[in-house]
Formats: sequence, structure tokens, C-alpha cells
Amino acid sequence: KNQVEQSPQSLIILEGKNCTLQCNYTVSPFSNLRWYKQDTGRGPVSLTIMTFSENTKSNGRYTATLDADTKQSSLHITASQLSDSASYICVVGLSGGYNKLIFGAGTRLAVHP
Amino acid sequence: ETGVTQTPRHLVMGMTNKKSLKCEQHLGHNAMYWYKQSAKKPLELMFVYSLEERVENNSVPSRFSPECPNSSHLFLHLHTLQPEDSALYLCASSHLILRGRVNTEAFFGQGTRLTVV
Repeated sequence: KNQVEQSPQSLIILEGKNCTLQCNYTVSPFSNLRWYKQDTGRGPVSLTIMTFSENTKSNGRYTATLDADTKQSSLHITASQLSDSASYICVVGLSGGYNKLIFGAGTRLAVHP
Repeated sequence: ETGVTQTPRHLVMGMTNKKSLKCEQHLGHNAMYWYKQSAKKPLELMFVYSLEERVENNSVPSRFSPECPNSSHLFLHLHTLQPEDSALYLCASSHLILRGRVNTEAFFGQGTRLTVV
């Protein structure tokens, strides 16, 4: 069964600190892995997309890693800001004619001053 | 703004009402999607339209009826819903994944928060 699992479910950090979110997946046939940021009550916004041949990709203070052998990914947030408070969703894309996406349940991050 | 617009943003409806959700994209995409997001659950794919044809229906009850009149517009018609249908309904669009293209971005609308009373 195609599945994406994220940990932790929720996380509280202080402003300025770094944090790392984890994602494990069992999805086939794998095409790509994405991280989305979703603010409360709004739609997800893409942060990074990686194929199996890429093992790291950055977008500002966000750095995603991918280990296709162990089927694990992480999202590292550097020097957190209050605006980073959101849900971070790991999504695996399947090969196919349209975007077949398998979503994780997300990690709820709260950044406190 | 992501280029995908959903209306209304919030909707409260009774179980006997009929209402419609609207999605519009100005990105030139040829695939559109409806997702349901319930509290603390992963997004669930409901319907997919590719080149204006429905290509996937993930066992969604018939009280949800999608319509895609053209490549820029997508509707979700609702009738006789249940309280458990209360959720955030998200529309997304993307290009089709054609030969040689493996990373095709999906853009989401802001969602419609639906409450069934």
C-alpha cells in the first residue's frame, strides 16, 4: 500500500532555532518527492521537488534531503521565523500521465517568540 | 497568489441544500483536481480531470458531482451532504506529466471551508 509517514506530528521551537522534519515513504512507482507548506485554512504551497537522482535541494532557509535507497526525506529549517508556523507536508509523486500524489498527514510546526 | 482561485472561501449548508464550489486557473494547465482535507488527515484525492475528461474517481459518494466545462474551470456540485462531509475542499491544477518531464508542479487554490449542519 502506498504510504507516506511523517514525524513528529507536531513541534514547538523558539524563534531563531533550527529544526528538522522527517518523512518515510513506501510508494511505487516513485517519480518525485515534494515538500509543501500549508498555513492554517489555506492551500498548500510548494517548497521543493526532488527526483530520485537528487539528494538535496534548497529554497531559502528550507533544505530538503532525499535518500532514495532508504526511502527517507527530511526538511531542515534554518533560523526559524514566526512566519514558519504552519503544517509541512511530505508528498510523493507517482509516475503517470497526471500528478498522482500521495500525501503525508503533515507536521504541525509552531514557532514561538 | 498561486494562480488557482476557489470560491467561495467559506460555505455553510444544510443537509438538504444544493450548492456548488468553483475553481478557476489561469496557468494554462490541462489537468485539474479536487481534494478533500479533513482535520489531521492527509489530503484525499477525489477527482481528476485530464484534458477536460474525468480520469479518476476515488470512490467518492454520488452526492459529490464534479464538472469540468473547459480546461480553466472546475466545479464540485454538492447535494444532500452529511455532517462528516465538513472539511476543507482544495482544487489544484498542473500540466500533464509528458515524456521527458518528471517534475510538474501542482498549484493549489486557497480552499473552500465547508460546514454541513
